[in-house]
Amino acid sequence: QLQLQESGPGLVKPSETLSLTCTVSGGSISNRSYYWGWIRQPPEKGLEWIGSIHYTGSTYYNPSLKSRVTISGDTSKNQFSLKLTSVTAADTAVYYCARGNYGGNPHYFDYWGQGTLVTVSS
Amino acid sequence: DIQMTQSPSTLSASVGDRVTITCRASQSINTWLAWSQQKPGKAPNVLIYKASTLESGVPSRFSGSGSGTEFTLTISSLQPDDFATYHCQQYNSYPYTFGQGTKLEIK
Repeated sequence: QLQLQESGPGLVKPSETLSLTCTVSGGSISNRSYYWGWIRQPPEKGLEWIGSIHYTGSTYYNPSLKSRVTISGDTSKNQFSLKLTSVTAADTAVYYCARGNYGGNPHYFDYWGQGTLVTVSS
Repeated sequence: DIQMTQSPSTLSASVGDRVTITCRASQSINTWLAWSQQKPGKAPNVLIYKASTLESGVPSRFSGSGSGTEFTLTISSLQPDDFATYHCQQYNSYPYTFGQGTKLEIK
């Protein structure tokens, strides 16, 4: 059974960089049939797609965050990561990692991690 | 960006009711639409993808329909476990976008 687990600091200071890692078990991030993505949800608000990465290294980012976001993968550890720079209180959210089911078509997210709350505060 | 608008925002219903949630896209997304269910403190769980394909393991009381800009999620007979928030998401083009969510409450 595929499992995804987010990890990283739960508290980040304003203007600093948010860094999260998603560890995948029960499947390989090198499988060409899948993308791997990050989605966030501010408290009591809707979901926002941050970006996705394919094992080939192709990345797609939300333009609203593109100047501050980097998503990368580490196939040796079966992990992928999110970095978001220059954070503000507006970046406070539950961050989810998820698998994008591709198979040659646009990808939808079929497996999600449990989510991790990141609070931006001094 | 493609805007996704769900209606209603809140829906009150009883066990056994048939309910329908609507999702409208600001431009055509073909059938590249997913529906997910989210319970408090939990991650979303996909129910339907490609507008009408039931994800493996999802009960058959859930169904989806639509194409282009208008889509619906129908629950044929509400069960106690179905009271949750439902999200639609388009994956036709980047950036992927979600509806604001529909909270299904017990009447």
